[in-house]
Amino acid sequence: QITLKESGPTLVKPTQTLTLTCTFSGFSLATSGVGVGWIRQPPGKALEWLALIYGNDLKRYSPSLQSRLTVTRDTSKNQVVLTMTNMDPVDAGTYFCAHRPYDPFGSMYFDYWGQGALVAVSS
Amino acid sequence: QSVLTQPPSASGSPGHSITISCSGSSSNIGSNFVYWYQQFPGTAPKLLIYRNNQRPSGVPDRFSGSKSGTSASLAISGLRSEDEADYHCTAWDDSLSSAVFGGGTKLTVL
Repeated sequence: QITLKESGPTLVKPTQTLTLTCTFSGFSLATSGVGVGWIRQPPGKALEWLALIYGNDLKRYSPSLQSRLTVTRDTSKNQVVLTMTNMDPVDAGTYFCAHRPYDPFGSMYFDYWGQGALVAVSS
Repeated sequence: QSVLTQPPSASGSPGHSITISCSGSSSNIGSNFVYWYQQFPGTAPKLLIYRNNQRPSGVPDRFSGSKSGTSASLAISGLRSEDEADYHCTAWDDSLSSAVFGGGTKLTVL
């Protein structure tokens, strides 16, 4: 059974760096083609894809946020970490990590999601 | 402003059918697979349809997806009260080199 869970601060100040950890079980990030992605959702708004990391350490980022994002993995701990610099109130919302399955067509989609971590940005 | 366009709301009566549209362009829906997620308030999205029209195990066959050109649709037949949720479409965009989402459609079962 695949599970994922996000953890991190619920409140960050403007200009600070947000660090979120995704701890997962039920799959190995070392499996070819498998990845862990990050998606966020401001309150009452649309989903927005942020980043994806594969077991071979290949990383993909949303071009609009790439300069502020870093995603890393620790396969021994079954964890993926997302950092986002220079946080702003518009970055507030729920941040989800999710499992990207192997796909023979190379598509990016997510079949298992964490419960989400709600992050507020305020001084 | 989302790259993919969905109606913000939709409604239907129990037992009836409804279709939710998702409009894009040649760089996203027109050239890549479309995926649909179902999301209840305060919970994570759940994969509903993958590769345009495939259902993951456990998703009732009341849910179906289709794609034509630069648009996609999610159809729900035999509407039930438990289908009340937000529905999101997504696809990869070759021009943006990014996954893009629709704004989401809130379904109300009257």
